[in-house]
This record gives sequence, structure tokens and C-alpha cells, in this order.
Amino acid sequence: DTGVSQNPRHKITKRGQNVTFRCDPISEHNRLYWYRQTLGQGPEFLTYFQNEAQLEKSRLLSDRFSAERPKGSFSTLEIQRTEQGDSAMYLCASSSTGTGVKAYEQYFGPGTRLTVT
Amino acid sequence: GDSVTQMEGPVTLSEEAFLTINCTYTATGYPSLFWYVQYPGEGLQLLLKATKADDKGSNKGFEATYRKETTSFHLEKGSVQVSDSAVYFCALSGGGTSYGKLTFGQGTILTVHP
Repeated sequence: DTGVSQNPRHKITKRGQNVTFRCDPISEHNRLYWYRQTLGQGPEFLTYFQNEAQLEKSRLLSDRFSAERPKGSFSTLEIQRTEQGDSAMYLCASSSTGTGVKAYEQYFGPGTRLTVT
Repeated sequence: GDSVTQMEGPVTLSEEAFLTINCTYTATGYPSLFWYVQYPGEGLQLLLKATKADDKGSNKGFEATYRKETTSFHLEKGSVQVSDSAVYFCALSGGGTSYGKLTFGQGTILTVHP
């Protein structure tokens, strides 16, 4: 079990550019979640997938944000036409479902820190 | 909607002191409750959880009891160590169709001095 990995770890971009982040969940986990965390705040939910289906999207996720999980394994989060307000840490987490003791426990990756200049 | 409120920080303690970090929540249905910890330079780690009323979660000397009557899940530790210095987040996973996604509090910074 290698844990949840995210790439890149840091991204600096100019306002108006598009960026894409990748998340690789724990291999046996069928759920994958995206959160955003700004300095001094707790993470805020953005969206989640069960297998390849995107089951819920937060109102925080504007039309400039899109997430995919095409084969039910890794996921990408794309932000189009970035704005300075998009600067944050983007966190990915994964979990299993079902009735086991660890079902629905979310394990987080290290995050991708986005800075929009 | 669901929400979590944590006590204001930062909290500064001496080693071996008793720790309490307060957490209260608002949720519909029967949420599961969690404490996550973020050590300096590291990602969020699950510390403990409780999935129903009166359950006590415990790990690494930390404990929290799910109190439905007071909608609280306070984190406690009898004797803190310098290595406990971190940011602590209380979170809930709501019932029904919200089950799974986490709603976090704002976090409490804990600093423990030798």
C-alpha cells in the first residue's frame, strides 16, 4: 500500500492559464474525493467519484473546474482560466465502501499547492 | 447544511499537560465523526473516529466520545508530548446522500513546549 499520491506537488501559473492535477488513490479504493484548503482553514469538499461515476459536486466547483476519473483508477482535476482566488492546496483522498471497519475512512494525499500569479 | 465548529486556537501547552480541543457539529441524520491531524510538512492523517452515539474513538493516547445530546466530539489527551504539536481538524460525514464526503472545522493549532 503506497498511499494516495498527487502530482505535481507544487504548481505556479499565471492568471488565465489552465492547470491539471493528478491523483492516484490507494489501489483497492473505489471512492476518490477532491478538496480545497486555503491557509488557516479546514479542507472544503469539491467533488467525489465512486468508480468512474462523479456522484456529487459542490457549489464551490465553478464551471472552470472539471474532474474526471475515466477508468475508475486515477483522477484529474483541471482548472481553466485560473484566477488568483484559485490559489490553494488541492487535496485528494480515497476510501473504500461497504461494511468493513475501515469503510468510508478517507486517506489523504500530500496535496498540490497551486499559486496563481 | 452540515457544519463543524472547533475551539479557537492556537493552543499552547507544556509537555505532560492535559489537552482538550472542543468540537461541536450540526448535521441532519446520524453523522460519523472524525479527528484528523496534520503534522508540520505532512498530509492529513486520520487520528480517530466514532460512527454512532456514545462511541469512543481512541488512538495514540487521544480519545473523543460521540455525544449526540450535546452534538459534540471533544478531543482529549491526558499527557501531551512535544511530538503532538500539529494542526487538529474535527470533521463529520453526514448521513443519507451526503455519506462519505467530509465537512471539516477550521482546525486548531497545538504547540507543546518541553
